[in-house]
Amino acid sequence: AQRVTQPEKLLSVFKGAPVELKCNYSYSGSPELFWYVQYSRQRLQLLLRHISRESIKGFTADLNKGETSFHLKKPFAQEEDSAMYYCALFGNEKLTFGTGTRLTIIP
Amino acid sequence: GAVVSQHPSWVICKSGTSVKIECRSLDFQATTMFWYRQFPKQSLMLMATSNEGSKATYEQGVEKDKFLINHASLTLSTLTVTSAHPEDSSFYICSARVATGTSGSQGFGPGTRLTVT
Repeated sequence: AQRVTQPEKLLSVFKGAPVELKCNYSYSGSPELFWYVQYSRQRLQLLLRHISRESIKGFTADLNKGETSFHLKKPFAQEEDSAMYYCALFGNEKLTFGTGTRLTIIP
Repeated sequence: GAVVSQHPSWVICKSGTSVKIECRSLDFQATTMFWYRQFPKQSLMLMATSNEGSKATYEQGVEKDKFLINHASLTLSTLTVTSAHPEDSSFYICSARVATGTSGSQGFGPGTRLTVT
């Protein structure tokens, strides 16, 4: 069975401070990992995927197979980053989501 | 790419009636569609996976006779909540993916809020 764990339900960070949203996973095969973001009253949208190793809106995430982690990071938080963030794992032909972390940026 | 629409965006129905929710992929042909359920302030829980022309695969604990899924074409999947009860009130989200075997391109619909009175 595949599982995604996001230990923090809520995270508040001051504007300009670094952000790290934690994600750990459990999967027997080689995983594909994603971060999705859901802004207030908007649909879920893809933020980034580990295979592309890209940076979107200043966010990056590195897959650490040894620690089975895929933490999301941003060096300087902005107010518009306030949203719900979901880590997700694609395996066995389906996408499994973590419980999500609500990030609030304090002005 | 991977634009997905859902209809209706919200629906209120009486207990015992059935409700159909449509999910369409607008700019691609979706080989696989997924239906998720999201409770307030909780994550998306996968209900079922459907491939065009075949029966849906339901996750453990999801009643297939309660939540009927039809994936009649590569651009349309429907979820019918049969004999709805208040506990079925939730936010239902569909997702569509363009390729099998890989993560492909997976888009999400805006969701349908179902309220059963």
